[in-house]
Order: sequence, then structure tokens, then C-alpha cells
Amino acid sequence: EVQLLESGGGLVQPGGSLRLSCAASGFTFSNYAMTWVRQAPGKGLEWVSTISGLGSSTYYEDSVKGRFTISRDNSKNTLYLQMNTLRVDDTAVYYCAKDYSSGPDDYMDVWGKGTTVTVSS
Amino acid sequence: DIVMTQSPDSLAVSLGERATINCKSSQSVLYSSSNKNYLAWYQQKPGQPPKLLIYWASTRESGVPDRFSGSGSGTDFTLTISSLQAEDVAVYYCQQYYSTPCSFGQGTKLGIK
Repeated sequence: EVQLLESGGGLVQPGGSLRLSCAASGFTFSNYAMTWVRQAPGKGLEWVSTISGLGSSTYYEDSVKGRFTISRDNSKNTLYLQMNTLRVDDTAVYYCAKDYSSGPDDYMDVWGKGTTVTVSS
Repeated sequence: DIVMTQSPDSLAVSLGERATINCKSSQSVLYSSSNKNYLAWYQQKPGQPPKLLIYWASTRESGVPDRFSGSGSGTDFTLTISSLQAEDVAVYYCQQYYSTPCSFGQGTKLGIK
């Protein structure tokens, strides 16, 4: 069974940092692009970042460029999102999602349950 | 960037009746070389992550009941639930994956009348 399990969320002050992880199982991790999507409280879905299967290509939403870094360790079947200089408007549930192919222009066919990031003083 | 606009924002339908949700993209998401529309639909129930329902505008994901169907091409798309069941109460999102950044519609909240 394909599974994605996020971790690393929590409460952080504005300007702080957090690293999210997503442990994948049940598929050949390196064959697929992976994506982070976030959802602010009571709001819709917002694409954040995508990384290609081998990690050679990365893509970011404009508001997180220069602050967030997506990466992956294919030997550990794990996806990461390093979030620096966090702002109050980064508060959201962050979902890890598997792309249907090697990316970047993909739909997401498997989603994790999400991890909550709260940025507040 | 492509902007996705759904209508209506919310909808209430009687059990067993048809529900229709519309999605419009600010530019075509049809790739002429493949004749495929890069459009997906997701269902999100309260407290749960999104679930893929439809991709390529009209292909149902494995395990999705056949009362769910997608149609449309170019810039105008529709998700139809032919006979609403209680478990279909959710927010539905369309997504274009024609170009990066991919983008979602604002969501349509579907309830029971």
C-alpha cells in the first residue's frame, strides 16, 4: 500500500525555521516527483513546491522562493521541506503528495494526512 | 500563471439528485499534441486530506464510484455526481497541471438539501 507520513510541524515564532519530513512507502520513491501543498485554516489548497524524482529540478511558489527549500533522500525514501524566515501567513496544514509521474506538470495521486505549522508570537 | 475559478462556491442537493460543479481556467489546459486536458478533480472531506477523483478531465481514479464523472475541454470543465449520496458531502477542488505553478480552484462546498 502506498503511504505518505508527514512529520515536523509545530508552533514557531515569526522569523523562525522548521523542517518538515515525509516518509514514503509502497512505491519506488525515486521514480516520482513529489510535491508539498498547504492549506491555511478554513482556506483552499495552495501548491508550495515540487521536486523531480532524482532531485535535480525544483520548483517553488513565488511567496516561498528564497525561504523554503525542497529536497529528498531517495536512499531513505524521504521528502523534506526546510522552511526559513517563517511568516504568520505560512500557518497551514502542509501535505506531502506523490505526483503521478516524474513531474513537474502532474496531478497528485496520493496524499499524506498532513502536518500542522503554526507561526505565531 | 493560470487562474482556476469554480462555481458555485457552495451547493446543496437532495439525496439521490444530480450535483454539478463547474471549473473554468484562465487559459486553455488542452495540450494539442496529446489531445489531453491537464485537469484534475479532488474531494476533501472534513479533517481529511484531498483525494484524487478524476484526472485528464474525465478519467476516473481507480476505486472512485462511477456516479462521479468529469467532462469538458479547453477552459471549461464540469464534475458531475449523478446521484448524491450522504458520503459525498465534501469540498471539491479542480486543479490544472498544464503548467507550473499548478493551481487549484477555490473549492466548492457540497452539502445535503
